[in-house]
Amino acid sequence: DVKVTQSSRYLVKRTGEKVFLECVQDMDHENMFWYRQDPGLGLRLIYFSYDVKMKEKGDIPEGYSVSREKKERFSLILESASTNQTSMYLCASSPDRRGGYTFGSGTRLTVV
Amino acid sequence: KNEVEQSPQNLTAQEGEFITINCSYSVGISALHWLQQHPGGGIVSLFMLSSGKKKHGRLIATINIQEKHSSLHITASHPRDSAVYICAVRSMGNEKLTFGTGTRLTIIP
Repeated sequence: DVKVTQSSRYLVKRTGEKVFLECVQDMDHENMFWYRQDPGLGLRLIYFSYDVKMKEKGDIPEGYSVSREKKERFSLILESASTNQTSMYLCASSPDRRGGYTFGSGTRLTVV
Repeated sequence: KNEVEQSPQNLTAQEGEFITINCSYSVGISALHWLQQHPGGGIVSLFMLSSGKKKHGRLIATINIQEKHSSLHITASHPRDSAVYICAVRSMGNEKLTFGTGTRLTIIP
């Protein structure tokens, strides 16, 4: 069964901390995505990557960065966490433009 | 106006009822996705379609490209169908999805 695995289900961090959210897929997918989900706003794209070491900004990249050193792993970095980054974070992957998406189970991050 | 609009936002129904969730979009698309999200957060892809109709068990998804509209139907609904259903579209020439805000479905036994 194909999988997208996010390293943590729940995370509590302090304001100003550097936070790493990890996502690993075992499907050899080209494309990987990071979204955040907030009530009433739906899922919004933070960053995506279509190849190793390649990244593109999504709709709300401010305050975030990403790293994709290996094809299977896509990391989201909060350089200095703030309370407005409290949210559900979802990682997804897809093989190409024609393929479906596989989502991880999400990380609920609380910044205090 | 959002590119993807879903209706209704919330839906409560009795077990066994036929359910319809609607999705309208305003851009040209290469594909439309229906997703299911249970409490706890994980998202499961139900359908990806670009034309016509698809069926999987009690779930049916249809799309009308000319009218820019899709529907998700659930026959013989069951409490385990209670979840948030999300419509998402992939615009033409784009790798990214744009999401609706979801429909929260509650099926009462």
